[in-house]
Formats: sequence, C-alpha cells, structure tokens
Amino acid sequence: GQQVMQIPQYQHVQEGEDFTTYCNSSTTLSNIQWYKQRPGGHPVFLIQLVKSGEVKKQKRLTFQFGEAKKNSSLHITATQTTDVGTYFCAGRLGAQKLVFGQGTRLTINP
Amino acid sequence: GAVVSQHPSWVICKSGTSVKIECRSLDFQATTMFWYRQFPKQSLMLMATSNEGSKATYEQGVEKDKFLINHASLTLSTLTVTSAHPEDSSFYICSARDLAGEWEQYFGPGTRLTVT
Repeated sequence: GQQVMQIPQYQHVQEGEDFTTYCNSSTTLSNIQWYKQRPGGHPVFLIQLVKSGEVKKQKRLTFQFGEAKKNSSLHITATQTTDVGTYFCAGRLGAQKLVFGQGTRLTINP
Repeated sequence: GAVVSQHPSWVICKSGTSVKIECRSLDFQATTMFWYRQFPKQSLMLMATSNEGSKATYEQGVEKDKFLINHASLTLSTLTVTSAHPEDSSFYICSARDLAGEWEQYFGPGTRLTVT
C-alpha cells in the first residue's frame, strides 16, 4: 500500500547539536507537510513543500523536498530544549488524503 | 490562527456502550474534516474523511458501522464509537481544512478514550 517511511524513529542529542529526520515515500507526492507534536499535545502544522527540489527555512529549521517529490527532510540547527517533541512528515496523495510517517521523537540533553 | 476544538478531551466508558466525540472548527468553515487514531508512541492513522453533507470515506480496515461519522454542518463533525471495546481505547484526533485556506490541516486537541 501507499506508505510514507520516516527515520530515525528516535534521536537523542545534546543541546546545541544538529538534528535531521528523513521521510521517504513509495509514490510521488503532491506535496509534503511537516508537523510537530509535543508530548501530550496534538500535531501542529509547521510547513508545506510543493515544488520539486524546494527548500524552505524557518529560523533554525530547514525543510527540503526531493527532486522526484518522493523524499523530504527536516534539519534543525543547534537544537534547543524547546525543540523536544515528535516530528511527523505527512505526504499528500491525490487531492486530500494525508499519509503520516511514523514520526521521529527528538529528546535533548540540556 | 485557525482553531479546532474537540469534546470531550477525555472519556472513560464501559465496554459495550457508545461514545460520541465532537469536532468543531471555531473560526473558519471546513467542508472537509479528518478523523485520526493515535496509539501511544505511534503515528496518526487516518480513519476517515468527513465531507459536509455527504457520507464519510473510510480507510481500509476501518469499520464504518462501528465508527459512525456525521458532518452535518461546515463547522461540526462527530465520531461515534459504537459498542466500544477495550481495544478501541486510543487517542482520537480530528483535523479540519479551512475552506478558504491553503492545504494545511488544523488539528484538534484530541480525545483520550478509555474503554473498561
């Protein structure tokens, strides 16, 4: 079936270190979205990538969409304790349906 | 920003009973709402897509007679878990797309269901 794979499942870093999570789809995506879910909270929309090869930045966060629109990455530079949470990618297949990756849980040692 | 509310935030019910969960878009209209289930430390699994005024579209493996979805207005969708069993215990999250907005979905705070 249609799947969106995300790695790694867990990542523990020291505060100040960088962090990257990767997302891969078995099929070409219309677009891809990234969400952050804090412990006990609900997913919060971060960004959407639509164009092949697109790169977007939000302060310390850099999002990339692959040329083939099948993979994406989120990179956080110099992590802070406020970055703790689970980051999900969600690929859009067709007009409406979002398929979520398994998520990457980020924990940070202050 | 767009706000989606869910009620109740948590519920405990006995096996065999039914539970209704409400999802409301508070400051925007949503022709489409989505219902997800999330087990502890796992990803969100789409259960169904709810379209205002029409029948919901269920994902493969989701029993439509067990998880009844009604989307009666542009701001309200309900999910009823019928004849709940302990294995239905989960975190149920709805999301809504703004009719006038872009592609992002706004998520509700979720409803924690525990079936005893």
